[in-house]
Amino acid sequence: AQRVTQPEKLLSVFKGAPVELKCNYSYSGSPELFWYVQYSRQRLQLLLRHISRESIKGFTADLNKGETSFHLKKPFAQEEDSAMYYCALSWAGANNLFFGTGTRLTVIP
Amino acid sequence: KAGVTQTPRYLIKTRGQQVTLSCSPISGHRSVSWYQQTPGQGLQFLFEYFSETQRNKGNFPGRFSGRQFSNSRSEMNVSTLELGDSALYLCASSSPDSTGTQYFGPGTRLLVL
Repeated sequence: AQRVTQPEKLLSVFKGAPVELKCNYSYSGSPELFWYVQYSRQRLQLLLRHISRESIKGFTADLNKGETSFHLKKPFAQEEDSAMYYCALSWAGANNLFFGTGTRLTVIP
Repeated sequence: KAGVTQTPRYLIKTRGQQVTLSCSPISGHRSVSWYQQTPGQGLQFLFEYFSETQRNKGNFPGRFSGRQFSNSRSEMNVSTLELGDSALYLCASSSPDSTGTQYFGPGTRLLVL
């Protein structure tokens, strides 16, 4: 069975500091991994997905199949990064996402 | 393009009643997925519809059902409501040219008393 684990419910960092949100997964096949973000009073939206290998808003995430991880990183946190972040897993051809429990990031000015 | 819309936005029901929630996907999107979000269980996948057919189903009891119409609009129904069904119900639509990139609606907040 598939499982997504985000070990930190809350994470606070100072503005300008590096930030890393952890995500580990278990899935027997070839997963597709995503990060979704929910800013205050906004709807859930895609931040990035591993197959696109792009940087969005300064965030990057690398899929490490050996460690079954997909950690989200940003070298310099900004106040506008404060939000709820969800790691999610799916697989090719599927339109159902399995979410982790989320990490609330607070960037302290 | 207009985003995913959900109606109603808020709903109060009592135990034993049934409820129907509606979702209109982004124009051109044929896949609609439903999720339940609660503080205790987080975001959980309910089911997905594609071209009026249920394609995937999560681990929810049969009281939770859905359907999709020819215009891709979708409804989900919960019968015999229980207190534990109180949640935010999210709908998401997916474009035909990408897998897993889902566009979420604002949700319907259901309170069961």
